[in-house]
Amino acid sequence: DIQMTQSPSSLSASVGDRVTITCRASQGIRNYLAWFQQKPGKAPKSLIYAASSLQSGVPSKFSGSGSGTDFTLTISSLQPEDFATYYCQQYDIYPLTFGQGTRLEIK
Amino acid sequence: EVQLVESGGGLVQPGGSLRLSCAASGFTFNSCEMNWVRQAPGKGLEWISYISTSGSTIYYADSVKGRFTISRDNAKNSLYLQMNSLRAEDTAVYYCARMSGSYVGTDYWGQGTLITVSS
Repeated sequence: DIQMTQSPSSLSASVGDRVTITCRASQGIRNYLAWFQQKPGKAPKSLIYAASSLQSGVPSKFSGSGSGTDFTLTISSLQPEDFATYYCQQYDIYPLTFGQGTRLEIK
Repeated sequence: EVQLVESGGGLVQPGGSLRLSCAASGFTFNSCEMNWVRQAPGKGLEWISYISTSGSTIYYADSVKGRFTISRDNAKNSLYLQMNSLRAEDTAVYYCARMSGSYVGTDYWGQGTLITVSS
């Protein structure tokens, strides 16, 4: 199975900051990488697919990059509603696998 | 509006069975691949099963293989997960999730249904 490793596991930031989360795959996954946002008690929300393409309705403050094994999610101008847990997922090869999550907290 | 609504969750004893349903609306269900994903309390997301548009291709995570069965009824716009031989470690919120093609991946999620396996 492909292992997905996110870093950091948690991150403290202030409103207005820009943050970057990293996701590394244990083997190449082309650009079949998605990012999800999850708030407490809620279902995940899809943000990005194909490493850098925004899902419909997702604001441009979210951006993704990478290919192969190394990927990043960047969130600019943090607002209170952005504080949540973020997961990466590879969907190149089954079984689909997720990163362990990055909890983004308000400083 | 795309909607995925799971049902069938609840409390079940170890060794018991449960069938989850996911009712889809707002899109052409028979054109979309579907997955089940679960999340144990306080833990991360775990993919557990995939089914192709026609149901001809199915995958399972090793953790549920041989115990869980995914299926779909395109005439009823519904996805199912038959869960047998349930264990305490199967306790989780179960989500159905839509894939808009193999390149786009998962784009919509249901609200989830909680399964608690306990005596």
